[in-house]
Amino acid sequence: DTGVSQDPRHKITKRGQNVTFRCDPISEHNRLYWYRQTLGQGPEFLTYFQNEAQLEKSRLLSDRFSAERPKGSFSTLEIQRTEQGDSAMYLCASIPSGGPLSNEQFFGPGTRLTVL
Amino acid sequence: QQQVKQSPQSLIVQKGGIPIINCAYENTAFDYFPWYQQFPGKGPALLIAIRPDVSEKKEGRFTISFNKSAKQFSLHIMDSQPGDSATYFCAASTNDYKLSFGAGTTVTVRA
Repeated sequence: DTGVSQDPRHKITKRGQNVTFRCDPISEHNRLYWYRQTLGQGPEFLTYFQNEAQLEKSRLLSDRFSAERPKGSFSTLEIQRTEQGDSAMYLCASIPSGGPLSNEQFFGPGTRLTVL
Repeated sequence: QQQVKQSPQSLIVQKGGIPIINCAYENTAFDYFPWYQQFPGKGPALLIAIRPDVSEKKEGRFTISFNKSAKQFSLHIMDSQPGDSATYFCAASTNDYKLSFGAGTTVTVRA
């Protein structure tokens, strides 16, 4: 257990429905990252936050995706009008600010999304 | 467009063998190169990481070799054990800490 938690762990939904995932990072970590991992591939960067500010979004993050980190603590990732191609593991990671270990990203267990 | 290329896709070794996984990158702005281990149904866990000013780093049974001029780095698992059977990912980032991952290598260590 890295201290990063994600909820739910599994989500099955029908095409066209909206889903929302939550990530709780390690409390003193001010940077939070979202990645998507499809079967047999490495994680791909989606977006990241410094405190509550969203600093970058990947082109993988279509208009149907939105992420927030309202108080600089937990974050949510919402997918609207889900498509079968959205089926993947969604991973959250956080890092501490500053110091020699500041690159070390701690990953949560992920949320596995299946779109039927 | 994958910024980090990883090989092989999978490999099988006997217990005590030394699996070697190789990665190559193009972006010379990368300055941090971690390796992650992932078990089925779990998130990736950091194993070991290196910066380009160092050519080798060892932590326990895991060793990273780094060749800056060739833009390549590799992971060696010494005295491999069945419990090391997992998928291993190399990655790279610049100072924004946004990781670019390789496609992964599934390592199977047979008892």
